[in-house]
Amino acid sequence: NAGVMQNPRHLVRRRGQEARLRCSPMKGHSHVYWYRQLPEEGLKFMVYLQKENIIDESGMPKERFSAEFPKEGPSILRIQQVVRGDSAAYFCASSATQNTEAFFGQGTRLTVV
Amino acid sequence: KNEVEQSPQNLTAQEGEFITINCSYSVGISALHWLQQHPGGGIVSLFMLSSGKKKHGRLIATINIQEKHSSLHITASHPRDSAVYICAAPRKLTFGKGTLLTVNP
Repeated sequence: NAGVMQNPRHLVRRRGQEARLRCSPMKGHSHVYWYRQLPEEGLKFMVYLQKENIIDESGMPKERFSAEFPKEGPSILRIQQVVRGDSAAYFCASSATQNTEAFFGQGTRLTVV
Repeated sequence: KNEVEQSPQNLTAQEGEFITINCSYSVGISALHWLQQHPGGGIVSLFMLSSGKKKHGRLIATINIQEKHSSLHITASHPRDSAVYICAAPRKLTFGKGTLLTVNP
């Protein structure tokens, strides 16, 4: 059973470009969470999705950020018109249900130049 | 106020020492995750527990639901245990700020 897969592991974007981060949950998991970790800081919740639905996006910046988890395929975190302050590690986690153990991917390290 | 509070923030130990990291949480959380993150690395789920005690190798996690408190213990600590240890509540995984553990040889 493969773990949570995130790709790419490293992503470099110029200011103003779009970044698309992918997260494939563990088999059988329908709950996905996205987190951001800024340099030297702790993890911050961004968004919680269940298949085709956004359950909680209270941690998402109001502009430029969006997330989806379609019926087929990975969850996508999309950042439009990236700025230097978006440089961070983005982790996703998945769980089978809302209150069961969540497992993390290795993260995508986004660098905006 | 953060729903999950951890202590200490930083901990330095000598190899072989017994380590304890504490976590207190607020009303409405019925279970707790313990996570480990090595510098620049990924995040590993160590335990999720809602009662009693769990053990995995040299790691032991306990939780007291009534007191809303959990502890992570490391026996016979080793330099490779050096990492940030984070407690987190399920449902949005509200995180403690983490404990940076450094084990010196």
